[in-house]
Amino acid sequence: EAQVTQNPRYLITVTGKKLTVTCSQNMNHEYMSWYRQDPGLGLRQIYYSMNVEVTDKGDVPEGYKVSRKEKRNFPLILESPSPNQTSLYFCASSPRLRGTGELFFGEGSRLTVL
Amino acid sequence: DAKTTQPPSMDCAEGRAANLPCNHSTISGNEYVYWYRQIHSQGPQYIIHGLKNNETNEMASLIITEDRKSSTLILPHATLRDTAVYYCIVRLRPDYKLSFGAGTTVTVRA
Repeated sequence: EAQVTQNPRYLITVTGKKLTVTCSQNMNHEYMSWYRQDPGLGLRQIYYSMNVEVTDKGDVPEGYKVSRKEKRNFPLILESPSPNQTSLYFCASSPRLRGTGELFFGEGSRLTVL
Repeated sequence: DAKTTQPPSMDCAEGRAANLPCNHSTISGNEYVYWYRQIHSQGPQYIIHGLKNNETNEMASLIITEDRKSSTLILPHATLRDTAVYYCIVRLRPDYKLSFGAGTTVTVRA
């Protein structure tokens, strides 16, 4: 089954404790992206990647890092989480330059930073 | 990407057509109109997209005005499961730097 898988789905952590949210897709998509969703602010793009070893900032990249060492994986790293990073996070992937450009989203990871 | 304007909310009766408007008056000639929806806090789901012509698929129809400054997403026979937030996005393709606005919260009532 074609899917985007995120882990963990739920996480409660404390300020300053480094964490990584993993994202994996099995559709051989070149493009992957991370979003955060907060009440009243819609979905905002954090980082995106057009291909392996190619990443770029979205609208709200501060406090986050990403890497794209393999095509299928695009982890989101919070080096020193803060309470303002409490949010619902979504990973998405899409075939680049082909097809509809449709974004496929994961089920989300709800992060709480105390 | 061009900015879009959608009403914050709308109600629809079950079994009736739901018409969701979107204004994108600054759209450029090579920008596409995309629609997604998000049910509760699940990951958003692609619905349909178009450039100039009207489009239809198994989920919905997309009507784009001739001047392309606005569009309407039509859910032909709304069901309770169509209750969701619907996002209208215009963007270049394959430019993938994009964000979703607040969308329209659609509530389908029995």
